[in-house]
Amino acid sequence: EDKVVQSPLSLVVHEGDTVTLNCSYEVTNFRSLLWYKQEKKAPTFLFMLTSSGIEKKSGRLSSILDKKELSSILNITATQTGDSAIYLCAVLSAGNNRKLIWGLGTSLAVNP
Amino acid sequence: GAVVSQHPSRVICKSGTSVKIECRSLDFQATTMFWYRQFPKQSLMLMATSNEGSKATYEQGVEKDKFLINHASLTLSTLTVTSAHPEDSSFYICSARLAGGSTDTQYFGPGTRLTVL
Repeated sequence: EDKVVQSPLSLVVHEGDTVTLNCSYEVTNFRSLLWYKQEKKAPTFLFMLTSSGIEKKSGRLSSILDKKELSSILNITATQTGDSAIYLCAVLSAGNNRKLIWGLGTSLAVNP
Repeated sequence: GAVVSQHPSRVICKSGTSVKIECRSLDFQATTMFWYRQFPKQSLMLMATSNEGSKATYEQGVEKDKFLINHASLTLSTLTVTSAHPEDSSFYICSARLAGGSTDTQYFGPGTRLTVL
């Protein structure tokens, strides 16, 4: 059965800290891995990763995929209180109507 | 670009009534839209995949007669919760995938919070 596992499930840090969120997967016909940020409403897209070893960066956020290890990390440097959210990882399978398989998310709380 | 809207954002209804939720892609065409529900502190649960012009594909355990999906055009899909009960109270989110492109990215609507009394 396809699955996506995120760790840790929750994390509390202080402003300015750097955090690393993990996502591992077991999915047949892997096509891509996506990271989303969810605050009070629906998820907003952060990154899509398809190739191993190529870092994607957006401001203080960056992410990289390791297809050999079947995993990805999401880094946030110099965290701010506005980074507090649930970070969701999802993997797209090439078959099966190309639906996303979701992890449970990492709940990040950044304290001032 | 790639904006998805949902209407209504919040609805409260009595048990036994039906509720329709609309999902629109505002600035792109979407051959495929997805409907999710999310319970508090849980991840997204895919309910069904909606393809324009054809019947929706429902996930195991989701009653197709209770959750009616209509994807009438490339920019609109609707989810109707029929004869709603309190256990149907949840956060319903749609997403849309760009038509014709190579991208796999799904863009999400803001969600609809349904409360059934």
